[in-house]
Amino acid sequence: AQSVSQHNHHVILSEAASLELGCNYSYGGTVNLFWYVQYPGQHLQLLLKYFSGDPLVKGIKGFEAEFIKSKFSFNLRKPSVQWSDTAEYFCAVNVNSGNTPLVFGKGTRLSVIA
Amino acid sequence: GAVVSQHPSWVICKSGTSVKIECRSLDFQATTMFWYRQFPKQSLMLMATSNEGSKATYEQGVEKDKFLINHASLTLSTLTVTSAHPEDSSFYICSARGTSGKYEQYFGPGTRLTVT
Repeated sequence: AQSVSQHNHHVILSEAASLELGCNYSYGGTVNLFWYVQYPGQHLQLLLKYFSGDPLVKGIKGFEAEFIKSKFSFNLRKPSVQWSDTAEYFCAVNVNSGNTPLVFGKGTRLSVIA
Repeated sequence: GAVVSQHPSWVICKSGTSVKIECRSLDFQATTMFWYRQFPKQSLMLMATSNEGSKATYEQGVEKDKFLINHASLTLSTLTVTSAHPEDSSFYICSARGTSGKYEQYFGPGTRLTVT
């Protein structure tokens, strides 16, 4: 079964700093990759997704992620964070076949301070 | 498009009672629905997968007699927590997948259950 690792538990950044959140998955086959954000007290929102094609994926709110197959990674980046980016970020993976569910990483809490 | 709703958004019940949570896909047909559980400040743990008209498939460690899942139509799935105990207090989130966008899952807003 696939698994997802998010190594950063809590990241604290100042406004305008650059962000990179790590995500690694373990599965040898073809996968679909997702990043979700959960703002305080709100439900999950999809930031971006990768199915195939260009490994550099752009999402909403200025976020992007790069799929590096050789590293089994799908790191999330943003050049300049804002206070409103304070949230919990989840990386998720599912297998590119059948009707398999998303498997989530443990999440990374991002706190952006003014 | 692809909106998933849950009802209720929060519920408080007494220990020993049962609670039903509804999950609806509002503008698409959900051939598959997933139920997740999220503890405070933790990730989403998959509880079960249900296909319309079939019995749900539960993840290891999830009691199927305690967490009853029904997916009777293409737009509705229900999760019933039977004989609830305080340790069942959690955030329950449903997710739905339709016939298009094969690998995407759309998430409901979640239901916060507190058992006293």
